[in-house]
Amino acid sequence: AQSVAQPEDQVNVAEGNPLTVKCTYSVSGNPYLFWYVQYPNRGLQFLLKYITGDNLVKGSYGFEAEFNKSQTSFHLKKPSALVSDSALYFCAVRDGRSGNTGKLIFGQGTTLQVKP
Amino acid sequence: EAGVTQFPSHSVIEKGQTVTLRCDPISGHDNLYWYRRVMGKEIKFLLHFVKESKQDESGMPNNRFLAERTGGTYSTLKVQPAELEDSGVYFCASSQSRNQPQHFGDGTRLSIL
Repeated sequence: AQSVAQPEDQVNVAEGNPLTVKCTYSVSGNPYLFWYVQYPNRGLQFLLKYITGDNLVKGSYGFEAEFNKSQTSFHLKKPSALVSDSALYFCAVRDGRSGNTGKLIFGQGTTLQVKP
Repeated sequence: EAGVTQFPSHSVIEKGQTVTLRCDPISGHDNLYWYRRVMGKEIKFLLHFVKESKQDESGMPNNRFLAERTGGTYSTLKVQPAELEDSGVYFCASSQSRNQPQHFGDGTRLSIL
């Protein structure tokens, strides 16, 4: 069965420090991986994706993520956190062999709190 | 370009009543998805339209939920009759193709009393 795990409910980091939000996944076929961010009372905003190619993916707002096939992980990273990065982050996966469906499986979300 | 639009943004109804949620996808996006997040849990897939056809409705919880996309433009999701466990935030998303990122609306917060 397909699944996504975000092991941390909350991540706290000081402004200017690097941040990591963890994500591991389980799919039968090749994974299509996504990170989304949600600000209060808003929808999910797309940050970045991995489908194929370079394992290090760069996305919006200075975020990047590294695909690690052996560890089935896709951790979100940023070298220097901003207070404005504080939000709820979701990792999602789509099984590349899932036929015609575009169904995404989401993790439970990780709240990122960046303190000044 | 305009994003995905959902309305109402918030709906409060009593158990047993009917509610209809609407989603307008980004123009030109053939793929339209419905998801919901119940009580702070993970976001769960409900169904996927390609134009007016239901491509995957494996996530629909039961026959009280009916989704339509007549003409392949906007979509509606009707809950009839609503039950307490239907409370949550219902998100709509659209994409150009199933491999492209899905763009989400702000959601409809549904409260069943």
